[in-house]
Amino acid sequence: AQSVTQLDSQVPVFEEAPVELRCNYSSSVSVYLFWYVQYPNQGLQLLLKYLSGSTLVKGINGFEAEFNKSQTSFHLRKPSVHISDTAEYFCAVTVNAGNNRKLIWGLGTSLAVNP
Amino acid sequence: GAVVSQHPSRVICKSGTSVKIECRSLDFQATTMFWYRQFPKKSLMLMATSNEGSKATYEQGVEKDKFLINHASLTLSTLTVTSAHPEDSSFYICSARDSRLAGGGGNEQFFGPGTRLTVL
Repeated sequence: AQSVTQLDSQVPVFEEAPVELRCNYSSSVSVYLFWYVQYPNQGLQLLLKYLSGSTLVKGINGFEAEFNKSQTSFHLRKPSVHISDTAEYFCAVTVNAGNNRKLIWGLGTSLAVNP
Repeated sequence: GAVVSQHPSRVICKSGTSVKIECRSLDFQATTMFWYRQFPKKSLMLMATSNEGSKATYEQGVEKDKFLINHASLTLSTLTVTSAHPEDSSFYICSARDSRLAGGGGNEQFFGPGTRLTVL
């Protein structure tokens, strides 16, 4: 069965520092990968996605992620974070199988940016 | 594009009453809609998947008679929490997808802003 592991439940970081939020998945078939952000008391917003093509994907708010098939990873990075990046970040994977293709979710990483 | 709305954004009800939450795709046709539940500080839990014009497929452990899902059109799905109890209080999120899109596009889900349900 497919699964998604977000290796860090909480990541504290200082403002303007770089950050990497790690995501690994397990799947033997081709996958599509997503990172979502959830600000407090709000819904989910898509940060970026990998569907095909270049393995380096750039998203909104200066975030980027790299799909590494050999390591089955899709780590999220930002070179310099802001206080406003404080939020919950979710990695999700879907496999191309069947009509009811479901997203498999990681448990989330809470990013806390401190001044 | 690809906007999904939910209504209401917040609802408070008494125990034993039923509550209906609407999920609409505003600028695309949603062949498939998903309903999630999210507990505080937790990830999303998929409750059910619905395809337009078909009965919803519920995840294991989700009571279909308690959480009624209707997906009667390509732009609207509803979730009705029947005889709500305090333990049903949660953040409910819907998402929508047009599964007819080729390749990866057919896999991308677009999320609504969520509905906060509080049962007293």
